[in-house]
Amino acid sequence: SAVISQKPSRDICQRGTSLTIQCQVDSQVTMMFWYRQQPGQSLTLIATANQGSEATYESGFVIDKFPISRPNLTFSTLTVSNMSPEDSSIYLCSVESLWTSGGSSSTDTQYFGPGTRLTVL
Amino acid sequence: AQRVTQPEKLLSVFKGAPVELKCNYSYSGSPELFWYVQYSRQRLQLLLRHISRESIKGFTADLNKGETSFHLKKPFAQEEDSAMYYCALSGPSGGSYIPTFGRGTSLIVHP
Repeated sequence: SAVISQKPSRDICQRGTSLTIQCQVDSQVTMMFWYRQQPGQSLTLIATANQGSEATYESGFVIDKFPISRPNLTFSTLTVSNMSPEDSSIYLCSVESLWTSGGSSSTDTQYFGPGTRLTVL
Repeated sequence: AQRVTQPEKLLSVFKGAPVELKCNYSYSGSPELFWYVQYSRQRLQLLLRHISRESIKGFTADLNKGETSFHLKKPFAQEEDSAMYYCALSGPSGGSYIPTFGRGTSLIVHP
């Protein structure tokens, strides 16, 4: 399993400013993901953070708005730039790690951070 | 394209009643299906996955490929089961397994 921490846990920001969210994992992982969970909505994948290369963004999300860093295999940041009230959401960091069942099988499982609750005024 | 549908936004039952949280999926292949749970003020966590065929906290889920469903069931609900439940699908896309989540079902178990 993987233990994930996120900072900050919550923030209230002014329109037009930027916020950087940090995600730290207790073990080296290949894949790290950033999700957004808007009120009443499902989890939406923003991007996959790749170590040593640019992040891979999903449709509707662009690097200028959500720049991502992945300097090593245990850390990533997501910046929400030029914020507007529509960016108010919970932002979740997630990693993919091996899950083993009694030693007979192992597949990839996602583990989630506690989330960052962002409110933009 | 892969899609997960959870038709119920809210499910309200009394303690001891059976629970079934519905999940239907759309995927052209053999996906992996999961149920995640988020208790109040806690992080999202994996509840169970179809490949393990196990029962967690009394919950089970059977993958029905004919009906493309992966409903979550529990015969006798407990108050501590109150939480948000997300069904998720993961299948290969471009060499990686990026999951798709349903919108979630809020389960409320009344005493």
